[in-house]
Amino acid sequence: DTGVSQDPRHKITKRGQNVTFRCDPISEHNRLYWYRQTLGQGPEFLTYFQNEAQLEKSRLLSDRFSAERPKGSFSTLEIQRTEQGDSAMYLCASSWTGGNTIYFGEGSWLTVV
Amino acid sequence: AQKVTQAQTEISVVEKEDVTLDCVYETRDTTYYLFWYKQPPSGELVFLIRRNSFDEQNEISGRYSWNFQKSTSSFNFTITASQVVDSAVYFCALTPDNYGQNFVFGPGTRLSVLP
Repeated sequence: DTGVSQDPRHKITKRGQNVTFRCDPISEHNRLYWYRQTLGQGPEFLTYFQNEAQLEKSRLLSDRFSAERPKGSFSTLEIQRTEQGDSAMYLCASSWTGGNTIYFGEGSWLTVV
Repeated sequence: AQKVTQAQTEISVVEKEDVTLDCVYETRDTTYYLFWYKQPPSGELVFLIRRNSFDEQNEISGRYSWNFQKSTSSFNFTITASQVVDSAVYFCALTPDNYGQNFVFGPGTRLSVLP
């Protein structure tokens, strides 16, 4: 399967712990996006990369959030000192610059207890 | 500011019925792109269609059809002869530039197709 893959699919963590999610985009895609989706809502943009450069960050991305894409391939999203309000699904997506379609992964569910 | 409204929170139909999911959008851009995505219980957002603002032709793909009307700022989605596998949450989305950082998603419509 050559779609966007995310790991882990589910994570339960205690408040205050750090968590990290990984995204592997479609191999030829140079753009990679992170979104957050809460129950009953559509996805909201967090940040995106073109190759290894992080070009934009949403106001939703607080200082506790950091994303990297060191070699322009896979990306990680780390949340430090998690809070209950961070409970959501974190979706990764990728596309090719100039491409018409953005492809999404299956998401990583985070529950902070 | 851009906005996407999907007024139908949940819809239930019996298998083989036709169902239309409504999407109304707001934008000041003259060029924009509209999308529909399907989100089954697995969580993945599955791309269904992309339409740019200059192309008002309706489209049919198998049991799916889309009606784009700029005059009413609507981009409705119809499933003909619905099947249980169509049960999912459907999202309408809008972006001015075909890039993901400017996507605005609607709240989604949960469709349940009962056998």
